[in-house]
Amino acid sequence: SAVISQKPSRDICQRGTSLTIQCQVDSQVTMMFWYRQQPGQSLTLIATANQGSEATYESGFVIDKFPISRPNLTFSTLTVSNMSPEDSSIYLCSVGATRTEQFFGPGTRLTVL
Amino acid sequence: KQEVTQIPAALSVPEGENLVLNCSFTDSAIYNLQWFRQDPGKGLTSLLLIQSSQREQTSGRLNASLDKSSGRSTLYIAASQPGDSATYLCAVGSSNTGKLIFGQGTTLQVKP
Repeated sequence: SAVISQKPSRDICQRGTSLTIQCQVDSQVTMMFWYRQQPGQSLTLIATANQGSEATYESGFVIDKFPISRPNLTFSTLTVSNMSPEDSSIYLCSVGATRTEQFFGPGTRLTVL
Repeated sequence: KQEVTQIPAALSVPEGENLVLNCSFTDSAIYNLQWFRQDPGKGLTSLLLIQSSQREQTSGRLNASLDKSSGRSTLYIAASQPGDSATYLCAVGSSNTGKLIFGQGTTLQVKP
């Protein structure tokens, strides 16, 4: 299994600002994903972070709002831009490969005032 | 479009009871199915992964089964303990992209 860390673990932000969340894995991984978990809800995939190229976004999520970087096989960032209270959620990164177990980071709890 | 449903949404049982959590999915063309545990305010812990060619997987007191043709999976927890209290999520891998589609979860409370 992979050990995944996320920074920050939580943050409280003002509307209109941006927050960048980091995801670090202890080994090289093929696939990295970013999920959002809104209060009381299940997880929804935001995008697949592709190493060396633009992320692949799911329906309803756009690059201008959630820019993602993945400079190498162990690290990725997700930025939540121009935040509003509706962006208050837990943001989780996960890693895996086709047909294998996926492992999740501890999550970043974001509150937007 | 794949949809995943978990029943019941919440469950409360006395310690020691055996219990079953249910997960159903609409499209049987899946790659695998994974069960996770989530403690309040925390990330997800992987419990069991079942490949599409498998019927069940076991880990300790946990047993997960998969019936692709009927679009169902169950997670069986034997001799439940208060430490099992958490939200249990099932997630379906429906393509070779590795993406998971999650159910809404079952919140379990085991009373001492």
